[in-house]
Amino acid sequence: DAKTTQPPSMDCAEGRAANLPCNHSTISGNEYVYWYRQIHSQGPQYIIHGLKNNETNEMASLIITEDRKSSTLILPHATLRDTAVYYCIAAYNTDKLIFGTGTRLQVFP
Amino acid sequence: GAGVSQSPSNKVTEKGKDVELRCDPISGHTALYWYRQSLGQGLEFLIYFQGNSAPDKSGLPSDRFSAERTGGSVSTLTIQRTQQEDSAVYLCASSQTRPGELFFGEGSRLTVL
Repeated sequence: DAKTTQPPSMDCAEGRAANLPCNHSTISGNEYVYWYRQIHSQGPQYIIHGLKNNETNEMASLIITEDRKSSTLILPHATLRDTAVYYCIAAYNTDKLIFGTGTRLQVFP
Repeated sequence: GAGVSQSPSNKVTEKGKDVELRCDPISGHTALYWYRQSLGQGLEFLIYFQGNSAPDKSGLPSDRFSAERTGGSVSTLTIQRTQQEDSAVYLCASSQTRPGELFFGEGSRLTVL
C-alpha cells in the first residue's frame, strides 16, 4: 500500500472550514484513499473514502487531485467536537489498513 | 447490540499472566480486525479474519500472541505470559464490504504491572 504523508498538527476556528491535506504520491491505480478520525480515548471512526472522483457525505468532502497524488479532506463547518486525530490511508482494500501518525486537528472557539 | 462490543474494557494483570480479550463484531460482518495502540502512538495492525480464517497474521508481535474466531462471529485475542510492553489499548473492528468502512469498538485497555 502507498505511503501517505500528513502534517502533524493543524488549527481551525470553530465554524470555519477545516482543510486537511494528504500526500500519496506513490498511490497505484486501484488503491482507494480512506479517511478516519480518532477522538480522544475512542476507537477510530470512518469518515469517507474515494478512488478517483470527489466524494461528499454528511460528515465531509474528499477532494482528490486529477493525478491522484494528493487529496484534501474538508470539514465544511468545524465544531469543537471535530477536534481529533485524522488519518489518511491509501489501500487496495481494507484487509490491512495501515494507520500512520495522522494530523492532530485542534478546533478552537 | 448495534456496534462492535469489546470486553473487558479494562484489564490489569501481573507480568507473566495470560489474558484473553473478546470482540463481538456487528452481526453479519464477515471481516474482523485486531489493532493495538500504545500510549500516544498510532494504531498497529495485528491480525485480520475473513470468516473464521486469518489470511494475514503478519502483525502479531510474537508467538505469545494468538487469535481465533469461531462461527464467523466472536473473536478472542490471547496474550500468553504478558510483558509490560504489552500494555496498550487493543481495538477490534469489523466490516461487511471490501473496500469499505471499518467499525471500531471502544477497545480493551490492558495494563501489565
